[in-house]
Amino acid sequence: KQEVTQIPAALSVPEGENLVLNCSFTDSAIYNLQWFRQDPGKGLTSLLLIQSSQREQTSGRLNASLDKSSGRSTLYIAASQPGDSATYLCAVNRDDKIIFGKGTRLHILP
Amino acid sequence: EAQVTQNPRYLITVTGKKLTVTCSQNMNHEYMSWYRQDPGLGLRQIYYSMNVEVTDKGDVPEGYKVSRKEKRNFPLILESPSPNQTSLYFCASSLWQGYGYTFGSGTRLTVV
Repeated sequence: KQEVTQIPAALSVPEGENLVLNCSFTDSAIYNLQWFRQDPGKGLTSLLLIQSSQREQTSGRLNASLDKSSGRSTLYIAASQPGDSATYLCAVNRDDKIIFGKGTRLHILP
Repeated sequence: EAQVTQNPRYLITVTGKKLTVTCSQNMNHEYMSWYRQDPGLGLRQIYYSMNVEVTDKGDVPEGYKVSRKEKRNFPLILESPSPNQTSLYFCASSLWQGYGYTFGSGTRLTVV
């Protein structure tokens, strides 16, 4: 059974720092991996989608990598800003469903 | 604008009173799915649909029903809601497996 783990569960960093969020999954047979952002009480906003054949994707200050063989993905956020404060979720897509991690709650300190 | 629309955003109801949460997408997506999000448990899939008239159970289907009569709509039905169904619900759609998912804004349901 596929399990997705995100460590740490919560993270606080000063504004301006670069940071890395981690996601690991137990079964490497995935179609893709997607990173989402969720603001409190709100919906999920897709940040980056990495297909299983890709190694990384970039969007602005965000860079996501995928190492399928080791079951790991990272989300790199450059020059963090207070507006980046949110919960970040990774999700792996396989067969007919996507499996979510429980998220990393990120707080950027002004 | 391409989007998934859920209604209502907030709902308070009493135990046993049937309710429907609607979900509609305007992207001509084949795949639609419902999730519930609970503290400490994360997002869990309730039901999904690969196409019109095709639906399947996810991880936590008990107490829920769905239908997919049209491609754009995928309503979630609670025939007899109970307090343990108090949760934040999300609808999502995708062009097909292997493509990214678009989520609705969520429906916060409270059953008293």
